[in-house]
Amino acid sequence: AQSVTQPDIHITVSEGASLELRCNYSYGATPYLFWYVQSPGQGLQLLLKYFSGDTLVQGIKGFEAEFKRSQSSFNLRKPSVHWSDAAEYFCAVGQNTGTASKLTFGTGTRLQVTL
Amino acid sequence: GAVVSQHPSWVICKSGTSVKIECRSLDFQATTMFWYRQFPKQSLMLMATSNEGSKATYEQGVEKDKFLINHASLTLSTLTVTSAHPEDSSFYICSASQSSFSYNEQFFGPGTRLTVL
Repeated sequence: AQSVTQPDIHITVSEGASLELRCNYSYGATPYLFWYVQSPGQGLQLLLKYFSGDTLVQGIKGFEAEFKRSQSSFNLRKPSVHWSDAAEYFCAVGQNTGTASKLTFGTGTRLQVTL
Repeated sequence: GAVVSQHPSWVICKSGTSVKIECRSLDFQATTMFWYRQFPKQSLMLMATSNEGSKATYEQGVEKDKFLINHASLTLSTLTVTSAHPEDSSFYICSASQSSFSYNEQFFGPGTRLTVL
């Protein structure tokens, strides 16, 4: 069964500093990988996704992620964090079973941004 | 982008009563809808997957008689928590997709906070 690990429960960065959120996955086949952001009162919003091709994926709000098969990782990065980026971030892996699909989420990383 | 709404956003009920949560895709037709449960400071756990017009597929360990899911139309799915008990208190989130395949984006609702007294 697939699984996702986000080692960092809580990260604090200063506004303007760079950010990297870690994600490791376990999946037997080529994974579909996602990063979502959850803000209070709002639904999860997709930041970016990887299915195949270029291992460096660009997303919305200036985020990017790099798929590294050898490390089973899909870390999320942003060169300069804004205060509005404070939220909960979830990494997820998608699995197709032929008749259905499911997303398995990591436990999330809460990002705090200090001014 | 596609919008998914949930109603109510929060509900408090007495133990033993049933609660219905609605999930609507507002500007697209959702072939597949998903229901998740999220405990405080924990991840989203998939409860069930429903395709319009067919029975929901429940994840292992989820009681189908307690969590009734109906996906009667391409824009509406409902989750009914029957005979709710305090341990059912949680944050319930739905998502909707135009396909049953993982590479199709799921659009998430804002969630429903259920508190059972």
